[in-house]
Amino acid sequence: EAGVAQSPRYKIIEKRQSVAFWCNPISGHATLYWYQQILGQGPKLLIQFQNNGVVDDSQLPKDRFSAERLKGVDSTLKIQPAKLEDSAVYLCASHPWTGVYQETQYFGPGTRLLVL
Amino acid sequence: DAKTTQPTSMDCAEGRAANLPCNHSTISGNEYVYWYRQIHSQGPQYIIHGLKNNETNEMASLIITEDRKSSTLILPHATLRDTAVYYCIVRVAAGNQFYFGTGTSLTVIP
Repeated sequence: EAGVAQSPRYKIIEKRQSVAFWCNPISGHATLYWYQQILGQGPKLLIQFQNNGVVDDSQLPKDRFSAERLKGVDSTLKIQPAKLEDSAVYLCASHPWTGVYQETQYFGPGTRLLVL
Repeated sequence: DAKTTQPTSMDCAEGRAANLPCNHSTISGNEYVYWYRQIHSQGPQYIIHGLKNNETNEMASLIITEDRKSSTLILPHATLRDTAVYYCIVRVAAGNQFYFGTGTSLTVIP
């Protein structure tokens, strides 16, 4: 079974530029998460999708961050304009959400963003 | 927000058992405890989870106290490849969210 795919793996931009990250979840997984992980900290949930609808985006800085999951499969996370403090690893995870509480989430390798 | 507290770092001798504690004193009755680990430059990897009873799989054992306010992850025979940051997470029942804390950095020493 293929895992969660993310691209690019690394990105360097200057502040005030725009950047986009892409995630392809495990096939059939209804729930998709984007996390931000700043160096030395645990992953912070930014947004959660159930199919193509947003379940939780309470921690997403909506003035500069946006995310979409068209057709309920792939997702993109965009930052516009980027700030220095956005330097972090952006992790995508997916979850089958079959209604069975035992299921867990699976993470991709992450995209490492450096804002100069 | 994270609902767990963990020690910042721990060391363990190779071949010995690593016991990683976690406090989750505000856990609700239907919320599960999950453990993940993150090896440098990789995404978090699922280890084990439980509700009330102790659990064991091929990677680790999870001991949950009777009052469910704390738990311990046990790696029975730590190897150098177990060096990682270990996260204890309480999974929110209603919304299927996983909130990570700062984790415990485990170093396995030869």
